[in-house]
Amino acid sequence: GESVGLHLPTLSVQEGDNSIINCAYSNSASDYFIWYKQESGKGPQFIIDIRSNMDKRQGQRVTVLLNKTVKHLSLQIAATQPGDSAVYFCAENSREAAGNKLTFGGGTRVLVKP
Amino acid sequence: ETGVTQSPTHLIKTRGQQVTLRCSSQSGHNTVSWYQQALGQGPQFIFQYYREEENGRGNFPPRFSGLQFPNYSSELNVNALELDDSALYLCASQAGGLKTGELFFGEGSRLTVL
Repeated sequence: GESVGLHLPTLSVQEGDNSIINCAYSNSASDYFIWYKQESGKGPQFIIDIRSNMDKRQGQRVTVLLNKTVKHLSLQIAATQPGDSAVYFCAENSREAAGNKLTFGGGTRVLVKP
Repeated sequence: ETGVTQSPTHLIKTRGQQVTLRCSSQSGHNTVSWYQQALGQGPQFIFQYYREEENGRGNFPPRFSGLQFPNYSSELNVNALELDDSALYLCASQAGGLKTGELFFGEGSRLTVL
């Protein structure tokens, strides 16, 4: 498959440890945030979303935290597994935008070491 | 798999040519978005179609145009290709024209412009 993100920041994590991926955004009008996972040769896959009226949301093994004061978003993956190796993107939508127009961050590559 | 299919998967064009990329949305989805993903970067929003009409556009020149058909499939057309148009073009579908909601991405069409 193709390589996505040849020069992305990389997070190396030991299998079984927790991973934390961070994302900063700049648009004060952003009101909806999503985390996507992209494996090599594939399109982005939805992981979890959060609206601006919340500061935490949990899914299966994942937690998203939103700090609107400092415009910071994070994704926590519990008990990281080899299948979690991928590039992770945060994305946001603004209440001012027409349609579901997502603005993606630059991505973080996660490498899980056995 | 998301049910969003794109064609062709790979293609090579020369500068100045025109290209048409195709997308079939997931069953039941009436909204289609197109994104451009340059190597090593996050996807960038091109435009979105809802019920056959453009419903939001990103910062792309008019030589990027699209269509949505009554069966909700879609085309992305790019005229007068430039070298910088080389990228992975992603199609995403969702149910409804809401500003939020999970987008389901296809695996993309990799365009190389020589």
